[in-house]
Amino acid sequence: SAVISQKPSRDICQRGTSLTIQCQVDSQVTMMFWYRQQPGQSLTLIATANQGSEATYESGFVIDKFPISRPNLTFSTLTVSNMSPEDSSIYLCSATSPVNEKLFFGSGTQLSVL
Amino acid sequence: DAKTTQPPSMDCAEGRAANLPCNHSTISGNEYVYWYRQIHSQGPQYIIHGLKNNETNEMASLIITEDRKSSTLILPHATLRDTAVYYCIVRVDNNNDMRFGAGTRLTVKP
Repeated sequence: SAVISQKPSRDICQRGTSLTIQCQVDSQVTMMFWYRQQPGQSLTLIATANQGSEATYESGFVIDKFPISRPNLTFSTLTVSNMSPEDSSIYLCSATSPVNEKLFFGSGTQLSVL
Repeated sequence: DAKTTQPPSMDCAEGRAANLPCNHSTISGNEYVYWYRQIHSQGPQYIIHGLKNNETNEMASLIITEDRKSSTLILPHATLRDTAVYYCIVRVDNNNDMRFGAGTRLTVKP
């Protein structure tokens, strides 16, 4: 199974600033996704990180607010821009192994915005 | 939107089997049923998946009805460490994302 490492694991940020979350997979994967989990809620898909092209965003999420990069098959970043307290959530990176149909998750980034 | 319906919460006695139901009445012929669980403060963990046949692995068993409109995840001997939120998800194939519903919060009690 693929191992996904996310950095940072948690951060406390000031309103109006931006935070970039890194996601590194230990093997090549086909698909990478970013999810948000607000306190006490289920996971919501933010976007699909496409290798070498612009990410595909879900309804309610826009590139200006959540720019995503995926320069290669094992790495992606999510930036939370111009943060407000409403952005306080857990952000999770996930990836699909080309070997099987499983979707693996990182341990998440706990973001608190003051 | 999630295509599955699960009870919001369930309790189970330690050592007993935990049977978690899931309804997916609009499932398509090419959609798999996946189960994940999320223990507090961790990323979701894969448990099992299936298409039509029942499946079993070291963690659990998955029973899918013949019409595929519902399924049951069985943890044969629940332990306190199985306390988590369990998500039932339908997904077309390897190249598609997963849409999470609200899940079932399973509490295993001593």
